[in-house]
Amino acid sequence: DIQMTQSPSSLSASIGDRVTIACRASQSISNSLNWYQQKPGKAPKLLIYAASSLQSGVPSKFSGSGSGTDFTLTISSLQPEDFATYYCQQSYSIPPTFGQGTKLEIK
Amino acid sequence: QVQLQESGPGLVKPSGTLSLTCAVSGDSISSSIWWSWVRQPPGKGLEWIGEIHQSGTTNYNPSLKSRVTISLDKSKNQFSLTLISVTAADTAFYYCTKVKGASPTFDYWGQGPLVTVSS
Repeated sequence: DIQMTQSPSSLSASIGDRVTIACRASQSISNSLNWYQQKPGKAPKLLIYAASSLQSGVPSKFSGSGSGTDFTLTISSLQPEDFATYYCQQSYSIPPTFGQGTKLEIK
Repeated sequence: QVQLQESGPGLVKPSGTLSLTCAVSGDSISSSIWWSWVRQPPGKGLEWIGEIHQSGTTNYNPSLKSRVTISLDKSKNQFSLTLISVTAADTAFYYCTKVKGASPTFDYWGQGPLVTVSS
């Protein structure tokens, strides 16, 4: 299985900040990388697919980049509704695997 | 707008069988090539369980393969998950998902009921 490692595991930021979350794959996955947002008690929500494509209906404040083994999710101008847990997931090979999650908290 | 709704028992006894059904509404189940199940133990991360193709072809997580079956019922616009010989380690929120395109990217999710394995 391909291992996905996110950093940091938790992150404190203020309203209006710009933050970046990193995700590293244990082997090259081309651009087969997705990002999800999960709020407490809710199902994950797809934000970014294929490393940098914005899912329909997702605000452009979310952006993704990277290829190969290293990827990033950037969130600009943080608002209260952005504080959640974020997961990366590789769709390169079966089984698809997720990172351990990054919890974004209000400072 | 596709909507997914899981149904099934919230409590299963150890060594028993976990069975969940995912009802698809807002579109035909034939609108997507693949449908999938993902689970999440309370307070932990996400684990892919498996997927089913329109043709009935399935792929399962090797860690669960010997215990999992996913099936599709086009006439009822639903698909199902069966997990046998469950233990407390199978206690989790179970999500059914729609797969975007041909790669395992999950663009629509059910609410994810908690299934507890306990006597």
